[in-house]
Amino acid sequence: DTEVTQTPKHLVMGMTNKKSLKCEQHMGHRAMYWYKQKAKKPPELMFVYSYEKLSINESVPSRFSPECPNSSLLNLHLHALQPEDSALYLCASSQEVRGRNNEKLFFGSGTQLSVL
Amino acid sequence: EDQVTQSPEALRLQEGESSSLNCSYTVSGLRGLFWYRQDPGKGPEFLFTLYSAGEEKEKERLKATLTKKESFLHITAPKPEDSATYLCAVTTDSWGKFQFGAGTQVVVTP
Repeated sequence: DTEVTQTPKHLVMGMTNKKSLKCEQHMGHRAMYWYKQKAKKPPELMFVYSYEKLSINESVPSRFSPECPNSSLLNLHLHALQPEDSALYLCASSQEVRGRNNEKLFFGSGTQLSVL
Repeated sequence: EDQVTQSPEALRLQEGESSSLNCSYTVSGLRGLFWYRQDPGKGPEFLFTLYSAGEEKEKERLKATLTKKESFLHITAPKPEDSATYLCAVTTDSWGKFQFGAGTQVVVTP
């Protein structure tokens, strides 16, 4: 199984809603990532988890709250988002954060988020 | 400041018309350069990793090469199914951080 599964595929939410994005992988990877991608732009790193601990937070606003309950699951909790937060949210995993040949990212298909 | 620049922004090819995409980088402490393919509304799909100048990797109609300042992705005799956005990304001494270029959108027409 070389898949990273993200749910939901599409999400529409109001600015006062609370929602969560979910990501799952069963490849035994110990690093998991959240990226944000606007249309026709490259993915931008948000968070990195290594061995279920948050290792990188790219100065993301607190209305985005990541959680890594175990080595296979990664969540992104959303609260009080703004319309400019509308984007494709991508989850990725890799064997390790560091170490040659261990870094390549496997991406999920993403959650297309629209904030009204 | 680290930069990853891809050119051209868009490329339109006839089926069978070979071409090359460029990824130039100015980063301190390059550890690896990666090529990904992304279809609309999907996550990027890994293609190649290159670590050393002079290194080459091939997969079907794609070949990636690396110099000290840039990488090329050569597409030989492309088919319509090669239409996608091709992204390059680099990792440096900051573990876990991939910096992506803006991508080259390739359209191959029959």
